[in-house]
Formats: sequence, C-alpha cells, structure tokens
Amino acid sequence: GESVGLHLPTLSVQEGDNSIINCAYSNSASDYFIWYKQESGKGPQFIIDIRSNMDKRQGQRVTVLLNKTVKHLSLQIAATQPGDSAVYFCAENGAGANSKLTFGKGITLSVRP
Amino acid sequence: DTGVSQNPRHKITKRGQNVTFRCDPISEHNRLYWYRQTLGQGPEFLTYFQNEAQLEKSRLLSDRFSAERPKGSFSTLEIQRTEQGDSAMYLCASRRTGGVTGELFFGEGSRLTVL
Repeated sequence: GESVGLHLPTLSVQEGDNSIINCAYSNSASDYFIWYKQESGKGPQFIIDIRSNMDKRQGQRVTVLLNKTVKHLSLQIAATQPGDSAVYFCAENGAGANSKLTFGKGITLSVRP
Repeated sequence: DTGVSQNPRHKITKRGQNVTFRCDPISEHNRLYWYRQTLGQGPEFLTYFQNEAQLEKSRLLSDRFSAERPKGSFSTLEIQRTEQGDSAMYLCASRRTGGVTGELFFGEGSRLTVL
C-alpha cells in the first residue's frame, strides 16, 4: 500500500549545527513532497515543498532533497536554532493538484543549547 | 496564528454522546480539509470540501462521522455515538485554488477526549 514514513523517531542536535531529517515514501505517483513543522499545542505549519521533477529546493535556512531512485526525501536545516525544536512531518500530495496530503509519522527535533 | 479558527479547543465527553466541532477557514480559501491526529502520528485525512461540495471522504470516516460546509465558508464535523477510539485531535486546514499545492493552513485543532 501507499505509505510515507520516517526513519528515526527523535533527533537531538547542538544549537548552531546543521540538522538532517530523513523520510521514505512509497507512492511513486506523487507529484509533490512537503515538509511540515508542528510545535507543541499547534497545528502543522508548512515549511517547504518540492515537485517530483526536481531533486533539490532551497528556502530560508532549509533545503529539501528528493531522491526518486530510492524514494527518499530529506530536510536539511542550517544553523539549527532553539526555535526549530518541534515535530517534523513529511507528506506527499499524490497524483494531481487536488489530491489530499498523506503524512508520515513525526520525528522530534530537539535542539540543545 | 494561521487565520484558521477551530472551536472548541478541547472537548471531554462520555462515550455515546454526540460532539460537534466547528472550523472557520481563512476567508478567501475555497478548499477545506479535516484531519485527525493521534499522539505521535501524522495527521490522517478525513474529508475535503471545495466550496460547499464534499469531494472526498476517507474510509476512516465511518457513518458516525458527518461533515458539512453549507455556505462554502465555515465547516462542522459531527461525531455521533462517540467511542473511546474517537479520542484524538481534529484538525481543520484550508487553502485556495491556485495556491502552493502542498501548503495547507492548519488551525490549532480541537482535542476530543471520550471517557
């Protein structure tokens, strides 16, 4: 069946270091892959997305990498800050712009001061 | 604050009671989604509206669940004869047609506890 999943449940990094969060997906027909951040007590917040015909996209302090060969998605956060501490989810949009998002399980990012 | 408002934020009910949640999306957003999230899990899709039309429902949405968006603005999600397994965070999200495809604007959720 279709699934989106994360390799590790938690990640602890030192403030100022770079963080890499990884995700595996299985639906090859997905058009878009997306990263969301969820802080405690809040709803998920969009970070960045990447279309399936791209392999890299950069935002502000974040980079998303897509490897379609091994169905792998990663989120890189540069110079991790305490405010980056949250649960991160990868999601995929399926085929077609109207498709619902399917989320993977979350990974908790903890930033050590 | 994303601009998506959900009420109530917390609801505690006894098994067998009915509950209703309301979502007010961002005003210019024509698409509205309901998701359910349990602890440690990603949100699970429940249903989706474009304007007032309910275009898709998950098989997770049993016949005890019903959602409406009568005027294409706010939406309600009703759960009848609640069960303990219904305990979860119910998230509403919205977006507009033509917006960034993967970008949903989520509310802060309505947490349901069924005793």
